[in-house]
Amino acid sequence: QKEVEQDPGPLSVPEGAIVSLNCTYSNSAFQYFMWYRQYSRKGPELLMYTYSSGNKEDGRFTAQVDKSSKYISLFIRDSQPSDSATYLCAFAGGTSYGKLTFGQGTILTVHP
Amino acid sequence: DAGVTQSPTHLIKTRGQHVTLRCSPISGHKSVSWYQQVLGQGPQFIFQYYEKEERGRGNFPDRFSARQFPNYSSELNVNALLLGDSALYLCASSSLLTGLDSYEQYFGPGTRLTVT
Repeated sequence: QKEVEQDPGPLSVPEGAIVSLNCTYSNSAFQYFMWYRQYSRKGPELLMYTYSSGNKEDGRFTAQVDKSSKYISLFIRDSQPSDSATYLCAFAGGTSYGKLTFGQGTILTVHP
Repeated sequence: DAGVTQSPTHLIKTRGQHVTLRCSPISGHKSVSWYQQVLGQGPQFIFQYYEKEERGRGNFPDRFSARQFPNYSSELNVNALLLGDSALYLCASSSLLTGLDSYEQYFGPGTRLTVT
């Protein structure tokens, strides 16, 4: 079983739609949960991170963590064409110091 | 402030050759991590360095090595290149070794390595 599972998509939505991106994980040592956005041929950009179950909101983005189900989500409200990118979930914890474990990434396209 | 910088941007090598990739972290960041991202996949952890010492290593062969310099910049070296080493190599910096801030990592634009 993979440590992290992320649906690679691709996901195509119209402008203004609500987007839901999801990851599941199996490693109980993971305590920190992150979402990165990666534009084509660029490095990943940290969008949000949290270490507790529940919701964390930042503008149009909401990160949701359910530790009991080992499931995290990222919601994007009022999606824009500029949100078109690959979204990567990432996990860390235990004694692995700065090691991040990434999902495969979901390719999102928001069309006008 | 400048973000994480990496050089070169692109590189083409042939099988069996050696390559050196370079990274400069964000000013004030002492931790540098290296990741390999194969097309269509998420980044895979290779190394972490903090205060010039290796603090973590991923599941990569000994052909991969790295070091960190007194100014916290870092080099990733790959020997005896294979076709499968073709990937985007990412460097990330963070301010601390442990704790929540150590996971707040900022990535550079990457070096795209093509092995022919």
